[in-house]
Amino acid sequence: QSVLTQPPSASGTPGQRVTISCSGSSSNIGSNYVYWYQQLPGTAPKLLIYRNNQRPSGVPDRFSGSKSGTSASLAISGLRSEDEADYYCAAWDDSLKVFGGGTKLTVL
Amino acid sequence: EVQLVQSGAEVKKPGESLRISCKGSGYSFTSYWISWVRQMPGKGLEWMGRIDPSDSYTNYSPSFQGHVTISADKSISTAYLQWSSLKASDTAMYYCASAGDPDYWGQGTLVTVSS
Repeated sequence: QSVLTQPPSASGTPGQRVTISCSGSSSNIGSNYVYWYQQLPGTAPKLLIYRNNQRPSGVPDRFSGSKSGTSASLAISGLRSEDEADYYCAAWDDSLKVFGGGTKLTVL
Repeated sequence: EVQLVQSGAEVKKPGESLRISCKGSGYSFTSYWISWVRQMPGKGLEWMGRIDPSDSYTNYSPSFQGHVTISADKSISTAYLQWSSLKASDTAMYYCASAGDPDYWGQGTLVTVSS
C-alpha cells in the first residue's frame, strides 16, 4: 500500500492529452513539492517534473505538472508511442520520501 | 555532467553479506544527500533511506531501518548500501539518487539472492 495514490493504468491514442493523478495528504503533497518520474522498461527512473511543475533540461514541454492542495497531476500532451512507460509521483513526508504505486501508461 | 555510477550486478546466497556502491561525479558530492531506492521485480519504487555525505548523517524509512546500512566516503565521492545477512526477499534492483532539485539517478544495481 503506497502512501501516495495513483491509478494503476492509463491509456491514450497518439496525439491525445492524458493526465495521471496523484493523491496524498497534508504531510506530504499538501506541504512539500511533488516530483514525477518516467520509467521505461528495463531502465532507471528519469525525472520528468520537480518542484511541482519544473522540467529538467531536456524534458519536452509536452510534459507538465500541477498541484492543488493534497493532489497533483501529470499531463502529457501530443501523446507519442515512446511515452509508453510507468509513471511515478513522489513527495517528501517529513524526512522520508514517499512514492505512488505507479501508473502504467499504454499508447493505443 | 552530473553522474551517479553504481557497481555491477551481484548474485549472492542467503546469509551472505554485501555492499554495493554509488560514485558521484560532475558536482560537489557533499552538497546533496544521496538516497537509496528499492524496486522489487515487477513492483514500484520504495525509498529506503538517505545519507548526508558531508557528515554521514543518515535517516531511514521505518521499513528498512535495521535491515540495511547506508554509509559514504566523501574522499572518493562514493555512497554505499550494505547488508550483513541477505535474504531471498532482498532480490531487487537498487538505485541511488542525489537529493538536489533536480535529482539524478544511478543506473541501478541488480541484487539476486538465491540458494
